[in-house]
Amino acid sequence: KAGVTQTPRYLIKTRGQQVTLSCSPISGHRSVSWYQQTPGQGLQFLFEYFSETQRNKGNFPGRFSGRQFSNSRSEMNVSTLELGDSALYLCASSSFIPGQGQEYNEQFFGPGTRLTVL
Amino acid sequence: ELKVEQNPLFLSMQEGKNYTIYCNYSTTSDRLYWYRQDPGKSLESLFVLLSNGAVKQEGRLMASLDTKARLSTLHITAAVHDLSATYFCAVDDNTDKLIFGTGTRLQVFP
Repeated sequence: KAGVTQTPRYLIKTRGQQVTLSCSPISGHRSVSWYQQTPGQGLQFLFEYFSETQRNKGNFPGRFSGRQFSNSRSEMNVSTLELGDSALYLCASSSFIPGQGQEYNEQFFGPGTRLTVL
Repeated sequence: ELKVEQNPLFLSMQEGKNYTIYCNYSTTSDRLYWYRQDPGKSLESLFVLLSNGAVKQEGRLMASLDTKARLSTLHITAAVHDLSATYFCAVDDNTDKLIFGTGTRLQVFP
């Protein structure tokens, strides 16, 4: 079974530009979460989608947005890039279905997209 | 707001020795996860701990959860070089959102 895939793996942008990152979850997984990882702030939750709906959102400015498609693939967009947005962006998928009484929400991570803002 | 703290942040240990990584969290939760991250790689799921007193073991790693103390431990037995990595605990904030600890960078030397 293929794992979570993310494209592109590396990206260099300049301040003020915008960027779109893509994530394909494990087949059958409908829940997708995004995280930002930086040396200073660690791993921070961005947002979570299930069935094309945003379920949870972290404490990031509105420049960070995302969406999920009917095939569960997800994209995140960052507009007006700042130097501080340089980070590893990780996508994770899970088989968790809200409201089904599942015991846990184990997430499986993709390789990440390393974004550098110059 | 849930806060998760890990200690130590860095751990340099000799092969064959034992050590424990601690994960404290600030509000009630009964779902805790441990992940491993190798340099330049993504996160690999190690353990899922779901209830008070839960203990899971895989090879030289053993994780436990005390929900009353809001504490999880990851114990390393007879460390080997292959265990060198960064270890994260993550706690469910009861909205299915994971809050990660700061990570513990483990280096095992001969």
